[in-house]
Amino acid sequence: DQQVKQNSPSLSVQEGRISILNCDYTNSMFDYFLWYKKYPAEGPTFLISISSIKDKNEDGRFTVFLNKSAKHLSLHIVPSQPGDSAVYFCAASADHGGSQGNLIFGKGTKLSVKP
Amino acid sequence: GAGVSQSPRYKVAKRGQDVALRCDPISGHVSLFWYQQALGQGPEFLTYFQNEAQLDKSGLPSDRFFAERPEGSVSTLKIQRTQQEDSAVYLCATDPSGGFGDEQFFGPGTRLTVL
Repeated sequence: DQQVKQNSPSLSVQEGRISILNCDYTNSMFDYFLWYKKYPAEGPTFLISISSIKDKNEDGRFTVFLNKSAKHLSLHIVPSQPGDSAVYFCAASADHGGSQGNLIFGKGTKLSVKP
Repeated sequence: GAGVSQSPRYKVAKRGQDVALRCDPISGHVSLFWYQQALGQGPEFLTYFQNEAQLDKSGLPSDRFFAERPEGSVSTLKIQRTQQEDSAVYLCATDPSGGFGDEQFFGPGTRLTVL
């Protein structure tokens, strides 16, 4: 049973517009959420994170929103650029600040930004 | 180098063969994680080390999988008697802070193909 779900396998967006990637989770013990970006033949690279005590975190063009009651988070990229084309993984942790930090990942969403 | 490195990058094994996958972490990083990423899936947790201590091996799929980090630095993931279902990308990730950190730094992965 998947604890972190990314229901859209792919998303296509025009350059300059907003990209919205969604993620749902089922485990109410998750207290930390991260987004990773992955290019082909490379490992995932960290993009942005949010603690469960917040509902928004912003870093440049990237903003993550967390709705705890709905167990839903989203990543907004604005404006989208062709270099943003990659697979985006949502991940969650149930023990942030504790002694164990393994991440539970979704299946990923492939974002294509068209010029 | 500055990042996590893994070797080999690609490994083809015949069914029944033993393989060893190596991870060189970022110097000084306390925590080390191994993940398995099957085609079209997100990374799935295998095992976790804090320095040389293996604190969690709950994700290892069978007793054919074994991981070690004897000196708290380089880690090796060994798979005995490989099966076709072991075909996947094996990712190593490290964290400087003993699991308290904000993000994990991933290596490029080893793509294992079992024929």
